[in-house]
Amino acid sequence: EVQLVESGGGLVQPGGSLRLSCAASGFTFSSHAMSWVRQAPGKGLEWVSFISGSGDSTYYADSVKGRFIISRDNSKNTLYLQMNSLRAEDTAVFYCAEAWGPSDYWGQGTLVTVSS
Amino acid sequence: EIVLTQSPGTLSLSPGERATLSCRASQSVSSSYLGWYQQKPGQAPRLLIYGASSRATGIPDRFSGNGSGTDFTLTISRLEPEDFALYYCQQYDSSPYSFGRGTKLEIK
Repeated sequence: EVQLVESGGGLVQPGGSLRLSCAASGFTFSSHAMSWVRQAPGKGLEWVSFISGSGDSTYYADSVKGRFIISRDNSKNTLYLQMNSLRAEDTAVFYCAEAWGPSDYWGQGTLVTVSS
Repeated sequence: EIVLTQSPGTLSLSPGERATLSCRASQSVSSSYLGWYQQKPGQAPRLLIYGASSRATGIPDRFSGNGSGTDFTLTISRLEPEDFALYYCQQYDSSPYSFGRGTKLEIK
């Protein structure tokens, strides 16, 4: 059974940092490009970042470029999102996902709240 | 940056009716890299269509996707009660891999 389990969310002050993790199981993790997608409360989906299966290629939304870093450890089947200089507008549920088709895998989401 | 515009914002229909949702891109998107997702309250999104017209694993054949270039459509041929949800399109042709703002499909 395929599973993606996120962790690392929580409450952080503006300007602070958090690192999200996404532990993958049930599929060949290193063969799959992955993304982080977020959803602010009551809002739509926002793509955040992409990483290729090898980790050689990474892309970011303009809203997080220079503040967030996506990475992966294929030996541990884990995806990461290092989030720095957090702002109130980063408050959202963050999902890790592999949704390119024909199958799609999503985590349950982890809530990040940026507030003083 | 490719901006995706979904219309209508809200679609009110009855079970059994046909739903047509639109996704228009600000510049051409390769059909290979256009997806449609369904999201219900409190749940993660679910992929319905990838490559503009291919149904994802386990998706009923009442869902179909079409289009090319800048105009894409998701059609639900006969609405079931469980189809009333939010629908998003996404392009992953060029970074940033933008989503549309979504169409809410509600029961009339």
